[in-house]
Amino acid sequence: DSGVTQTPKHLITATGQRVTLRCSPRSGDLSVYWYQQSLDQGLQFLIQYYNGEERAKGNILERFSAQQFPDLHSELNLSSLELGDSALYFCASSPRDRPITEAFFGQGTRLTVV
Amino acid sequence: GENVEQHPSTLSVQEGDSAVIKCTYSDSASNYFPWYKQELGKGPQLIIDIRSNVGEKKDQRIAVTLNKTAKHFSLHITETQPEDSAVYFCAASKGTDKLIFGTGTRLQVFP
Repeated sequence: DSGVTQTPKHLITATGQRVTLRCSPRSGDLSVYWYQQSLDQGLQFLIQYYNGEERAKGNILERFSAQQFPDLHSELNLSSLELGDSALYFCASSPRDRPITEAFFGQGTRLTVV
Repeated sequence: GENVEQHPSTLSVQEGDSAVIKCTYSDSASNYFPWYKQELGKGPQLIIDIRSNVGEKKDQRIAVTLNKTAKHFSLHITETQPEDSAVYFCAASKGTDKLIFGTGTRLQVFP
């Protein structure tokens, strides 16, 4: 158990809908990263938050947004969902962002868009 | 942009043999290189990492080597066991930056 909690584990929704994925980082970790893993694909970096502020942005679509709350949990919002958004979404956390230390991943949320 | 290439994409070995997975990174400023193991239905799990001031690191049957000049690093697993079967990802980052992952290697260890 990495200590990173993601909910829900599975999510099935229709095209055009909006969903929210939730991540609770390890106790004390300030950085949260979101990654997308499509079928047989690697891990694509979406976005990073550090202590409530956006720190880095990757290949995140405009339909997607995220935030980190004062209690350090993070949410990834996906809207106007398309079939191609079906993927595993992982959250990772690390204690600090400078210098980077180990990142620990949650179990992921499997999103299926039908 | 930053890129990490990983190969092979699949690797099959007999139990007890060694397995080697290689990665090449593009950004010479990268200074942190972790390796993750992902089992079916689970999140990636950090198994070993190396920083740019070290050339080699070993942890029991797992070792990682880093060649900064050539910008490549490798994962070595000795005396492989069936439970080593998984997808392995290399990654690279520089300082405060995000991890850039390779495309993964599916390792199968046959009894």
